[in-house]
Amino acid sequence: RKEVEQDPGPFNVPEGATVAFNCTYSNSASQSFFWYRQDCRKEPKLLMSVYSSGNEDGRFTAQLNRASQYISLLIRDSKLSDSATYLCVVDGRNDYKLSFGAGTTVTVRA
Amino acid sequence: GAVVSQHPSRVICKSGTSVKIECRSLDFQATTMFWYRQFPKQSLMLMATSNEGSKATYEQGVEKDKFLINHASLTLSTLTVTSAHPEDSSFYICSAQTGTNYGYTFGSGTRLTVV
Repeated sequence: RKEVEQDPGPFNVPEGATVAFNCTYSNSASQSFFWYRQDCRKEPKLLMSVYSSGNEDGRFTAQLNRASQYISLLIRDSKLSDSATYLCVVDGRNDYKLSFGAGTTVTVRA
Repeated sequence: GAVVSQHPSRVICKSGTSVKIECRSLDFQATTMFWYRQFPKQSLMLMATSNEGSKATYEQGVEKDKFLINHASLTLSTLTVTSAHPEDSSFYICSAQTGTNYGYTFGSGTRLTVV
């Protein structure tokens, strides 16, 4: 079983729509969770960390469900610029290594 | 913010040759850097952890004699792909931890094509 699994999508949504997707992780001892954004042929960039209580950053909302071992990302009022691959990232070990999901592709159309 | 500079961004080489990729932390010291490889439509896979002043730690299945890592200073780590083959063609990315709470910064990546 992969350490981090994501629905690859793609999610094709119109501008202004809301899109949400999940990521599951296998290590129940994981402590740190992140969503990264990766544009085509570019390096990943941190979108937001995910906290136990859930957190919001503008149009982006992240939730963590430890009991079911999944995290979610919701994007409200989608913009064309939100088109990207969103990587779920988990750190479950003591040596600061990150495990990456394969990414969920979101395409926002005009 | 913290910046990690990675060079070259793109390289094409012939089979059998070696390619060196550099990763520099520009405004902070990085005792630990990570090297990843990403094939199309796949996740980033950690290849090795580069430790300043000591030997790198390789992940299972990664050949240490093929992927040579040197971390001779607090601001520079290099990855050398030796005797490159077409199957080594991939996107290689480095990252460094920039602080507590698992803050990481990534280099801009190197797209290697072996012909």
